[in-house]
Amino acid sequence: NAGVTQTPKFQVLKTGQSMTLQCAQDMNHNSMYWYRQDPGMGLRLIYYSASEGTTDKGEVPNGYNVSRLNKREFSLRLESAAPSQTSVYFCASSAGGGQPQHFGDGTRLSIL
Amino acid sequence: RKEVEQDPGPFNVPEGATVAFNCTYSNSASQSFFWYRQDCRKEPKLLMSVYSSGNEDGRFTAQLNRASQYISLLIRDSKLSDSATYLCVVNPRGTGRRALTFGSGTRLQVQP
Repeated sequence: NAGVTQTPKFQVLKTGQSMTLQCAQDMNHNSMYWYRQDPGMGLRLIYYSASEGTTDKGEVPNGYNVSRLNKREFSLRLESAAPSQTSVYFCASSAGGGQPQHFGDGTRLSIL
Repeated sequence: RKEVEQDPGPFNVPEGATVAFNCTYSNSASQSFFWYRQDCRKEPKLLMSVYSSGNEDGRFTAQLNRASQYISLLIRDSKLSDSATYLCVVNPRGTGRRALTFGSGTRLQVQP
């Protein structure tokens, strides 16, 4: 029973490199989310997808793009990584916008 | 003013103690409320939903006060394993954003 699966779990990039973080859920949830969490800070919403085919900006969208590939998968792309994007990234899913969210175990991303 | 505010702590309590956390929210139209728990370097996990009439789950009791716009979490008979950060989560209805808002968390350290 996987729930929400994120890949990779760890990644080190150089400034200016690009990469895509993958997220997949097997709970048939409609909504999916990407957050970042920095030391001593709470979760900050980057982008979310309320349903398949839609995406919306969250609190901190600059420097990121997302794709809701299908109902199961929601990817986050960094086009030109910057040191300020060093963080732990969490993907989550829920049945709907006001429903409890289930989280993946995170991607620890360092940008040098 | 932040949408969801929590005392960051840490709350240091001995095993067996009772401890309570409060959380205030700014959007009076908020509908859904949750408490999540996050262990160090792990993903947030749903602890319990918060219902208007208050609810209990074992040693944990959650209360909602709509008039004063706060929710609370009471932990009785604290265990070492309760040491974690507790996140207050609110569904901010009426903002157009179909996603939950997470507080920055209150850290609890239960000591032997």
